[in-house]
Amino acid sequence: DAKTTQPTSMDCAEGRAANLPCNHSTISGNEYVYWYRQIHSQGPQYIIHGLKNNETNEMASLIITEDRKSSTLILPHATLRDTAVYYCIVRVGSGNTPLVFGKGTRLSVIA
Amino acid sequence: DTGVSQNPRHKITKRGQNVTFRCDPISEHNRLYWYRQTLGQGPEFLTYFQNEAQLEKSRLLSDRFSAERPKGSFSTLEIQRTEQGDSAMYLCASSPIGNTEAFFGQGTRLTVV
Repeated sequence: DAKTTQPTSMDCAEGRAANLPCNHSTISGNEYVYWYRQIHSQGPQYIIHGLKNNETNEMASLIITEDRKSSTLILPHATLRDTAVYYCIVRVGSGNTPLVFGKGTRLSVIA
Repeated sequence: DTGVSQNPRHKITKRGQNVTFRCDPISEHNRLYWYRQTLGQGPEFLTYFQNEAQLEKSRLLSDRFSAERPKGSFSTLEIQRTEQGDSAMYLCASSPIGNTEAFFGQGTRLTVV
């Protein structure tokens, strides 16, 4: 079963930052937080992952709380093409376990 | 490299028939995963391979399902005696070994009528 809790859906105005929360209160010390998204009728796409430090790449930023019990994915300037289901996943750092998906957050970016 | 390739993209079959799907992972990716996704749900893990060895199988993988990766390259997923409940999107992903991202294919959509 998924070890994360996410809101079912969120809206965001085009051009504004989208902040997607995720709770993972039972995360273990050797587990990373991964984010994927799935645009309609496509396979999931990797966004970013991190352990305890904040991470940033060309797609998004990942903010992990100091106690690591929650995190936020930030899309700094959301576009209509960011409309998708976003999945927050915790996974052992060795990568020896498969990704376990929950239901994710359906983000709708509105013009 | 064009990414993870899955064939066919769509398959319609009659209940009781056998179907086989193919996944071609990214070259040199040791790990290959199979997932199933139904409408409104996240992908559910089925099984995964490291090279040719099948390392883990979900309890979702009934005895009607079998997966192979004979030479550690492409993989096939076969469903025998299909049922209407098998209708879903079947996704394949591959990754190198270690703490890294997995790359997903576009999936095979199966409809059992």
